[in-house]
Amino acid sequence: DTGVSQNPRHKITKRGQNVTFRCDPISEHNRLYWYRQTLGQGPEFLTYFQNEAQLEKSRLLSDRFSAERPKGSFSTLEIQRTEQGDSAMYLCASSPWGADTQYFGPGTRLTVL
Amino acid sequence: GQQVMQIPQYQHVQEGEDFTTYCNSSTTLSNIQWYKQRPGGHPVFLIQLVKSGEVKKQKRLTFQFGEAKKNSSLHITATQTTDVGTYFCAGSDKIIFGKGTRLHILP
Repeated sequence: DTGVSQNPRHKITKRGQNVTFRCDPISEHNRLYWYRQTLGQGPEFLTYFQNEAQLEKSRLLSDRFSAERPKGSFSTLEIQRTEQGDSAMYLCASSPWGADTQYFGPGTRLTVL
Repeated sequence: GQQVMQIPQYQHVQEGEDFTTYCNSSTTLSNIQWYKQRPGGHPVFLIQLVKSGEVKKQKRLTFQFGEAKKNSSLHITATQTTDVGTYFCAGSDKIIFGKGTRLHILP
């Protein structure tokens, strides 16, 4: 399968714990996006990379959230000191050079108890 | 800031009826994209519209981009049960998704 992959698919954690998610984009896609989606809502933009550079970060992203894409390939999203309000589906998407079309991964569902 | 609004939020139609969802942006868009998300699934790209007044068709789906590039619509002719899902528009200027229109098909 050459689509976008995300791991883990599900994560249950206790409030206050740190969690890290991984996204592997489609090979050679230079742009990578992270979104958060809650029930009944559209994907909410979190951050965006072009290669290894983080070009945009939502104001909604508190300082407990950090994302990296060190080699311009896979990306990680870390949430520190999780809160119950962080419970959501975290979606990753990638785009090839010169196109706005986004290809989404299956998402990581986070539940904070 | 830029906002993308979609109406209606929900739509129930009898199988075979037509369906339309509308997307409105508070600002002019360089292009607009439409995605479909099946229940329990992730958004899947359907189409991108770039030109003012552009109309594109995919089988029973017709997409339009307004002349002012601030609104768009998706029309499905003769809905089928496979059309069930949530349809999102996304303004790509600031990667803003609408809240989507959830389509339910009554058999």
